[in-house]
Amino acid sequence: NAGVTQTPKFQVLKTGQSMTLQCAQDMNHEYMSWYRQDPGMGLRLIHYSVGAGITDQGEVPNGYNVSRSTTEDFPLRLLSAAPSQTSVYFCASSYDRDYGYTFGSGTRLTVV
Amino acid sequence: EDQVTQSPEALRLQEGESSSLNCSYTVSGLRGLFWYRQDPGKGPEFLFTLYSAGEEKEKERLKATLTKKESFLHITAPKPEDSATYLCAVSYNQGGKLIFGQGTELSVKP
Repeated sequence: NAGVTQTPKFQVLKTGQSMTLQCAQDMNHEYMSWYRQDPGMGLRLIHYSVGAGITDQGEVPNGYNVSRSTTEDFPLRLLSAAPSQTSVYFCASSYDRDYGYTFGSGTRLTVV
Repeated sequence: EDQVTQSPEALRLQEGESSSLNCSYTVSGLRGLFWYRQDPGKGPEFLFTLYSAGEEKEKERLKATLTKKESFLHITAPKPEDSATYLCAVSYNQGGKLIFGQGTELSVKP
């Protein structure tokens, strides 16, 4: 059981570039989320999904796009990277909305 | 405004010195309160879920309690390996998303 797998672990982008952060889980969880973690700001929700084909915005969705074509995968797309998107990104999944989420190990993104 | 506040921001303890971390919340329609542990450079690790006031959960040296306004994470006789950041989060209304507090950074010295 791999749990929640995030790739890449580290990434440096130039301003204006686009990229996709990958997230995959092998636990057949319906609920998946993306968070960003910044010093002094805590974890903030970007987008979340309650099942394949269903996504919704969280607290800080601007500049990010998601889709959920399968139960296993929930990629996060940065459309045009900005320095303000420098952060650590975490993907999480859960089998139930009221159960504890399992987090991935994170992607550390730097935008220069 | 829906929010979660943790205190203190940082806590330094001597090994064996028991203490408590606080998580206060103001949300409508609480569905569950979650405690996580996060080690440097890693993702949060799930510890407990509490669903209703009066509920308690225990795991080794940790005990979590819940009231209608706040939760406490009690650490009994901590060891250096308990050093980490402890995060509190709530699920509310329709669920499916969490609001996190800022975390409490715990350091336990031998």
